[in-house]
Amino acid sequence: NAGVMQNPRHLVRRRGQEARLRCSPMKGHSHVYWYRQLPEEGLKFMVYLQKENIIDESGMPKERFSAEFPKEGPSILRIQQVVRGDSAAYFCASSPTSRRTDTQYFGPGTRLTVL
Amino acid sequence: AQKITQTQPGMFVQEKEAVTLDCTYDTSDQSYGLFWYKQPSSGEMIFLIYQGSYDEQNATEGRYSLNFQKARKSANLVISASQLGDSAMYFCVGPGTASKLTFGTGTRLQVTL
Repeated sequence: NAGVMQNPRHLVRRRGQEARLRCSPMKGHSHVYWYRQLPEEGLKFMVYLQKENIIDESGMPKERFSAEFPKEGPSILRIQQVVRGDSAAYFCASSPTSRRTDTQYFGPGTRLTVL
Repeated sequence: AQKITQTQPGMFVQEKEAVTLDCTYDTSDQSYGLFWYKQPSSGEMIFLIYQGSYDEQNATEGRYSLNFQKARKSANLVISASQLGDSAMYFCVGPGTASKLTFGTGTRLQVTL
């Protein structure tokens, strides 16, 4: 029973390039969440998606960031024209429903470094 | 706004001793969940324990237990018989708005010989 999968685990980009982070939720989970962790801080919510729908993107920066969760395939967090401040660990989590008492299970994270 | 407060940035505990990590939260919701996650130096986020706001018993999972005091809005994590492998960052996580989680700032636990 595979857990939440994220790839790549480490990603290095130069300023101005695009970063694509992938997340495959646990089997049977249709709710996906993306969080960002800056060094020495807790995780901050970015976006919540269900299949083909963005439910809550209140934590997403207004520009350069986008997320999708297509009918088939993994969820993608896309960062265009990366800047040094985008360097962080990006975690994806999934849950079976959207109940607020559901446990969210996290992937191993993608560590993005912008040079 | 929903808020989780962890007032201990760092803690030390001797191996085999018990340790309590503090957490208080703020919410106006009646039904919610509280979680503790562990983040070792390798970076992954590991779910430890869950407490529902309507659960009558304090949650326990092996060596982890949650001292849940609803009226005080506190959900302290107790680790019994600490092991060297317990050295990690511990996050108290609570109800955000809608389905998003709100993370505390974390407590770094160091287990010593």
